[in-house]
Amino acid sequence: DGGITQSPKYLFRKEGQNVTLSCEQNLNHDAMYWYRQDPGQGLRLIYYSQIVNDFQKGDIAEGYSVSREKKESFPLTVTSAQKNPTAFYLCASRWRSSHNEQFFGPGTRLTVL
Amino acid sequence: AQKVTQAQTEISVVEKEDVTLDCVYETRDTTYYLFWYKQPPSGELVFLIRRNSFDEQNEISGRYSWNFQKSTSSFNFTITASQVVDSAVYFCALSDTSGYSTLTFGKGTMLLVSP
Repeated sequence: DGGITQSPKYLFRKEGQNVTLSCEQNLNHDAMYWYRQDPGQGLRLIYYSQIVNDFQKGDIAEGYSVSREKKESFPLTVTSAQKNPTAFYLCASRWRSSHNEQFFGPGTRLTVL
Repeated sequence: AQKVTQAQTEISVVEKEDVTLDCVYETRDTTYYLFWYKQPPSGELVFLIRRNSFDEQNEISGRYSWNFQKSTSSFNFTITASQVVDSAVYFCALSDTSGYSTLTFGKGTMLLVSP
């Protein structure tokens, strides 16, 4: 089945630890995105990538880092510099050729204790 | 800067009622795209519709319909004869016209449909 996978569904970390969230897609999409969602809020863009080895900061990139070494994968690292990392994180992807809709993964709920 | 406003934070209806979710957007672009997504309790966003700024035709898909009015910068979503399974958070989003096509989301409207 084609789709976007994010693992794990729930993640717990201690304050001060870096943590990496996984995002994999087998849709052959070029572009990939990371969003953060807080209760009662819309989605806010963290990072996005159009092609391999290229990525851009979104609206709230501080305290986060990404890599895009493979077309299928776009992992997000939440660093200890992120002041309030507890949130729901969603990964998305789309074909680059037009303004197609973005397809979303199931999300990872990160709780920092 | 782009902005999407969904003024209705939460709407509660009884099954079979019709309900309209409002979306107002701001953009300086002449070409843009608007989207609606549904987020059920499981959390994953489900794409519902995409509309480009040149196409002001209303669209109907089963019990769902969308009203795009460029003059008022609105892209409203109506569910006819609502069902319990329609309970979810609904997001309206606006895409920029750069090659990256990043989305600006509204804060969402939580729809609760009770039996």
